[in-house]
Amino acid sequence: NAGVTQTPKFQVLKTGQSMTLQCAQDMNHEYMSWYRQDPGMGLRLIHYSVGAGITDQGEVPNGYNVSRSTTEDFPLRLLSAAPSQTSVYFCASSYSGGTNQPQHFGDGTRLSIL
Amino acid sequence: QKEVEQDPGPLSVPEGAIVSLNCTYSNSAFQYFMWYRQYSRKGPELLMYTYSSGNKEDGRFTAQVDKSSKYISLFIRDSQPSDSATYLCASNNAGNMLTFGGGTRLMVKP
Repeated sequence: NAGVTQTPKFQVLKTGQSMTLQCAQDMNHEYMSWYRQDPGMGLRLIHYSVGAGITDQGEVPNGYNVSRSTTEDFPLRLLSAAPSQTSVYFCASSYSGGTNQPQHFGDGTRLSIL
Repeated sequence: QKEVEQDPGPLSVPEGAIVSLNCTYSNSAFQYFMWYRQYSRKGPELLMYTYSSGNKEDGRFTAQVDKSSKYISLFIRDSQPSDSATYLCASNNAGNMLTFGGGTRLMVKP
């Protein structure tokens, strides 16, 4: 059982480039989310999805785009990378919404924007 | 001001010590409180979950919530070097958005 798989693990981009961070889960979870983690800031929610075809904004959505065409996959797109988006990105999933359900996290994508 | 605040540490203790990790929160609507543990270069994993005020115990770990003072605590008894990690508290109000504190780095020295 792989859990939550994120690819790539590391990426370096130039300002203005676009890219997609991949997230897949094999637990048949309805709820998936993307966080960014910066020193001293903890985890901040970027976007989340409560099921296929449904997405919503979190605390810091600007500059990011998501879609949820299947239950398993929840890619995060950076439209035009900026140095402020240098961070560690975590994808998480849970059986349903983030109330009393444990979030299962991937091991992160470390992204550096030059 | 962040809705959930934590002292970033690092907190360094000798093996076997009792560790107290704390968070404060500002949103009175928060009802669910969680502690996650994060090892270096790994994703967070859920340690403890509590609803409303009170205590919850699981082995060496005890989570405590005091809603009157908006204070969340995690106690670790008989701390081990394997407990060295960053501990994140998190809260929400039954919605779909979880709010995390900045994390406290704990180091348990043999």
